[in-house]
Amino acid sequence: ETGVTQTPRHLVMGMTNKKSLKCEQHLGHNAMYWYKQSAKKPLELMFVYSLEERVENNSVPSRFSPECPNSSHLFLHLHTLQPEDSALYLCASSQEQGAYEQYFGPGTRLTVT
Amino acid sequence: AQSVSQHNHHVILSEAASLELGCNYSYGGTVNLFWYVQYPGQHLQLLLKYFSGDPLVKGIKGFEAEFIKSKFSFNLRKPSVQWSDTAEYFCAVNDLGSARQLTFGSGTQLTVLP
Repeated sequence: ETGVTQTPRHLVMGMTNKKSLKCEQHLGHNAMYWYKQSAKKPLELMFVYSLEERVENNSVPSRFSPECPNSSHLFLHLHTLQPEDSALYLCASSQEQGAYEQYFGPGTRLTVT
Repeated sequence: AQSVSQHNHHVILSEAASLELGCNYSYGGTVNLFWYVQYPGQHLQLLLKYFSGDPLVKGIKGFEAEFIKSKFSFNLRKPSVQWSDTAEYFCAVNDLGSARQLTFGSGTQLTVLP
């Protein structure tokens, strides 16, 4: 049990669909993150939220839209994705944003057809 | 920008062999260093971390890592691996400069043969 849960665990969607990924942390942390994990590549940081405010957006295409309604929940809204967006999307949290260790969820395996 | 290099993409060892996985980073300032492990079908888990103090840090499951500042390295070691250590290992660096982001290496897949 990691304290960070993600749903769904697997998602297949067409390029014209709209879907959302959900992340919830039960650790009382103040910072949450979205990462993209592709085969043979380093984890790519997509978004950082600290106390529900977005503090980092690493040049992510607008077809990915994050939402953080409170410090325990984080969403990633997806629309008009491309096949190259197929990857494992990981959510993480940390006590505060910055130098602290991060705790990861199991990820959502996304396939765009 | 910070970069992290893990030179070995795939390492294959027999049980009881010794392990050393390399990790080098580019940022020359103050850093926090991490090793994460991802067992097949499981989430990323923290193996060990270095923030300050003794550069030789010990983690879970008999792993240790040594921070050598002059070499910008944080290599992971284990004296005797087990089949259950088969996993992917990621080095990560959090520079304490302006970015304060966690930068990951591309990972090393370790396969331990029984």
